[in-house]
Amino acid sequence: AQSVTQPDIHITVSEGASLELRCNYSYGATPYLFWYVQSPGQGLQLLLKYFSGDTLVQGIKGFEAEFKRSQSSFNLRKPSVHWSDAAEYFCAVGASNQGGKLIFGQGTELSVKP
Amino acid sequence: DADVTQTPRNRITKTGKRIMLECSQTKGHDRMYWYRQDPGLGLRLIYYSFDVKDINKGEISDGYSVSRQAQAKFSLSLESAIPNQTALYFCATSDPSTGAGELFFGEGSRLTVL
Repeated sequence: AQSVTQPDIHITVSEGASLELRCNYSYGATPYLFWYVQSPGQGLQLLLKYFSGDTLVQGIKGFEAEFKRSQSSFNLRKPSVHWSDAAEYFCAVGASNQGGKLIFGQGTELSVKP
Repeated sequence: DADVTQTPRNRITKTGKRIMLECSQTKGHDRMYWYRQDPGLGLRLIYYSFDVKDINKGEISDGYSVSRQAQAKFSLSLESAIPNQTALYFCATSDPSTGAGELFFGEGSRLTVL
């Protein structure tokens, strides 16, 4: 079955600390992978995406993610978290012929301590 | 103004009532989607439309119907609302020229069914 798992429901980090949010997927076809962020009361915004090529992808707001095919993972990282990064983060997977039909993970809520 | 606009943003209704959630977009995208967000479940696809004459069921279409009135408009209806349809609903668009399709989301419609 196709699925995306985000093992951490809620993570708290101190401002300035590094961050890694985990994402594992199960997908039959070559996956296209995404990370979205949802701020309170807002819709989702794309942080970054991986289609092919370099397995380390850079996104907006200083985020990056690394695709590891052998581990079926696409973890999101940021070297130094800012208070404004507090939000919910969703990993999603799709395929080239599926358009915007994405399978989303459960989400990870990030809290940032001052 | 937002590129993807959803109305209403909040709605409280009673069991058995008919509800329509509307979505309009100015991005010029052919592809439109309705997703539902529930805490701990992430987002799940209800219906999608790749052009005006194309309507497809998603993962959780039971109890819902849609209408694609024009390229820019895609409405979601609950014919007879029930409490377990209480959720946050998102409309989204995508551009087929980007392949797998980055999704552009509206700000969401929060529906409560009593």
